[in-house]
Amino acid sequence: SAVISQKPSRDICQRGTSLTIQCQVDSQVTMMFWYRQQPGQSLTLIATANQGSEATYESGFVIDKFPISRPNLTFSTLTVSNMSPEDSSIYLCSVEDGDWNTEAFFGQGTRLTVV
Amino acid sequence: DAKTTQPTSMDCAEGRAANLPCNHSTISGNEYVYWYRQIHSQGPQYIIHGLKNNETNEMASLIITEDRKSSTLILPHATLRDTAVYYCIVRVEGAGGTSYGKLTFGQGTILTVHP
Repeated sequence: SAVISQKPSRDICQRGTSLTIQCQVDSQVTMMFWYRQQPGQSLTLIATANQGSEATYESGFVIDKFPISRPNLTFSTLTVSNMSPEDSSIYLCSVEDGDWNTEAFFGQGTRLTVV
Repeated sequence: DAKTTQPTSMDCAEGRAANLPCNHSTISGNEYVYWYRQIHSQGPQYIIHGLKNNETNEMASLIITEDRKSSTLILPHATLRDTAVYYCIVRVEGAGGTSYGKLTFGQGTILTVHP
């Protein structure tokens, strides 16, 4: 199993500012993912972040708005840039170890409120 | 990835079996059925997955019909702590390919276990 620590757990930010969310895993993992969960909604994949390569973004998400870093096999960051109230969501980090058809582990999420 | 259909909500009495259905009539031969759940204010938690045989682990059983067009997650003795949103997801098999690793979450079933 993998234990994921996300920081911060929650934050209230002013519109127009940026927030960087950290995801730390207690073991080396191949694949890391960032999801967004808007209020009352299900999870939506933002991007896949593999170490040593550029993040792959899903339709509707762009690097300028959600830049991602993946400097090593245990750490990643997601930045929410130039925030607006519509960015108020829970942002979740997830990991898989890269083997075929294994379970994904999720962090507790970062609850972001933009005012 | 194939789309899934789940009831919006279900109730279950504590101590009884909870049977959560999922329809995935367009599932392909190389797609697995996964179940996750999300307890309030937490990240999703893996429950079980399978391809075509029934599966059982310490948390639940997964029954997949012979034609693989539907499945049922069974929590044999539901407790209050099983109250959560349950997601049925189909995902393509194995490593490689652009769709590996993506978990596409639908709206899920809100299971409420009552005393």
